[in-house]
Amino acid sequence: KAGVTQTPRYLIKTRGQQVTLSCSPISGHRSVSWYQQTPGQGLQFLFEYFSETQRNKGNFPGRFSGRQFSNSRSEMNVSTLELGDSALYLCASSSKGLAGGPGELFFGEGSRLTVL
Amino acid sequence: GQSLEQPSEVTAVEGAIVQINCTYQTSGFYGLSWYQQHDGGAPTFLSYNGLDGLEETGRFSSFLSRSDSYGYLLLQELQMKDSASYFCAVRGDSNYQLIWGAGTKLIIKP
Repeated sequence: KAGVTQTPRYLIKTRGQQVTLSCSPISGHRSVSWYQQTPGQGLQFLFEYFSETQRNKGNFPGRFSGRQFSNSRSEMNVSTLELGDSALYLCASSSKGLAGGPGELFFGEGSRLTVL
Repeated sequence: GQSLEQPSEVTAVEGAIVQINCTYQTSGFYGLSWYQQHDGGAPTFLSYNGLDGLEETGRFSSFLSRSDSYGYLLLQELQMKDSASYFCAVRGDSNYQLIWGAGTKLIIKP
């Protein structure tokens, strides 16, 4: 069974640009959640999608957005990039979703974004 | 606000036992999870505690005390491959969002 796939793995952008990151969940998983990870800050929850609907959203500005397609693949977009957006962006899939109980999350290896 | 506290770094010797603590302050509580992340790798699920007590999975055990808002991860018979960062995460509100600790870097010496 293939794991969670994130693309691209690494990217460099400049301030003011926008970026789109992609996540393909494990086959059969309908929940995809996104996280920002920075050194010493743990993981910060961005949003969760389940069956193409955003169910939860973290405390991030509107520059951060996402969507999920009918095949459960998800994308997140960050517009008007700032230096502070440099981070590892992780997505995780699960069969039950964050509201479905203790279902474990399966993470991709992340997309490392550097903003210059 | 909601927060989780865990030590930033713990050092132990190969073959020994180590405990990583996690205390939480959240508006609600729907379970405590632990994840392991090696440098450059993806977080991987280790264990979940929904009720008070000890959960054992091989060399790893996790404990929860809801009255103390406290849990810990216990790693026994430490191996060099256990060198990684360990994160606790709590489902802490009605939206079932996961709130994460900042992570504990476990350093294992031979």
